[in-house]
Order: sequence, then C-alpha cells, then structure tokens
Amino acid sequence: ELKVEQNPLFLSMQEGKNYTIYCNYSTTSDRLYWYRQDPGKSLESLFVLLSNGAVKQEGRLMASLDTKARLSTLHITAAVHDLSATYFCAPSNYGGSQGNLIFGKGTKLSVKP
Amino acid sequence: GAVVSQHPSRVICKSGTSVKIECRSLDFQATTMFWYRQFPKQSLMLMATSNEGSKATYEQGVEKDKFLINHASLTLSTLTVTSAHPEDSSFYICSARAAGLGNTIYFGEGSWLTVV
Repeated sequence: ELKVEQNPLFLSMQEGKNYTIYCNYSTTSDRLYWYRQDPGKSLESLFVLLSNGAVKQEGRLMASLDTKARLSTLHITAAVHDLSATYFCAPSNYGGSQGNLIFGKGTKLSVKP
Repeated sequence: GAVVSQHPSRVICKSGTSVKIECRSLDFQATTMFWYRQFPKQSLMLMATSNEGSKATYEQGVEKDKFLINHASLTLSTLTVTSAHPEDSSFYICSARAAGLGNTIYFGEGSWLTVV
C-alpha cells in the first residue's frame, strides 16, 4: 500500500526567504504531482514529474523527483505572500486502483511580510 | 488545457434526502474518473474509482450503497449521496484521467455539500 509523508505540515516563512517541502513515498510510483490549494477551492496543478531526476520550475517554485530515494521536493525561492496556500504532493498509486493518486497530508504555507 | 467541470459547486440538502454531483470532462474522454472527499483542514481521501460502463471500485470503509457512482459515458461520472446525514457534509472533488493526454489527471472545481 502506497503511503505518503509530507513535511513540514506547517511552514511559516518570511518574504524573501527560501525553503523546501519534502515528500516521501513508500512504494514504486510512475509519476508524482504537486498541487496548490487555496482555502475553499479545489486543487491547482503545479507540476507533474514523470521520471527519475526530473526537475521542473515555474516562477519561484521548483520541484524535483528522485525515484530511487522515493523522494520529491518542492523548493520555494524568495517567498512572497501570494504563495501562501496548502501544498500537496500526490504520487500515482502504480498498480493500485488504476493509478489513482495518494495524497500527502499537505503543507500549509504562510508567508509573512 | 484539459478541463473537468463539477456541478453543483455548492449544495445544501436536508437530512434524509439524496443529492447528485456531476463530474464532466469537457474536452477529453475519461475512461477513468476518481472521487475524493476532503474534510476541513484535512487531505483528500479517495472514495472510489469510476470506470466507464462498469461498476465503481470503492475504497475500504466507503459505503457503496450510500455513495452511488455511475460512469455512463466517457465524459460524465456522477456521485449520488443517498439518505444524506450531517456527517456527510464535506468537499467532494472529482478527477479524470486523460488517456489521450499522457494519462495526466485533471481535477474538477469541487462541490461543497452541506446537509442540514
């Protein structure tokens, strides 16, 4: 059974600082997604990582995937208030219920001036 | 990009009644759709996997007679919460697998259900 651990669960940052969110998963997965969720809203897709060593960047966010270590990271560079949200990682449950996504508990990010 | 539409976005119903939530893939065919629920300040929990033309696969602990899922076409899956109770109040989100787009998964906007 695929299990996902995300940390930290809560992150309070100052604007301009850098930080990394970690996502560990327990079994083989063929892809991993990162999502952003604002309060009361659905998920906004940030990245989908498909292979070992994949790195994707969009603005101040950069995601990477190490399938051998079963680890993905979401790095935040020079945080701004607009990045305040909850971030979820979700590896695909390879071989599970037709590749459904299993979600981490989420990291609630608060960026303060 | 691919769009998944959910309707209604918000619904209030009385205890004991049933409510239907629709999930449509607007510009792609989705042989597989997934239904999640999310309680406040928690993560998403998979309820069931819906396949076009066949019975849904429910996760452990999800009552299939209470949460009826129908996937009648390649672009539509519905979730019916039967005999709803206040504890069924939650945020329900569907997602769809776009087989023709590299099996990428797209999420709907979600549906807030409040049972009073």
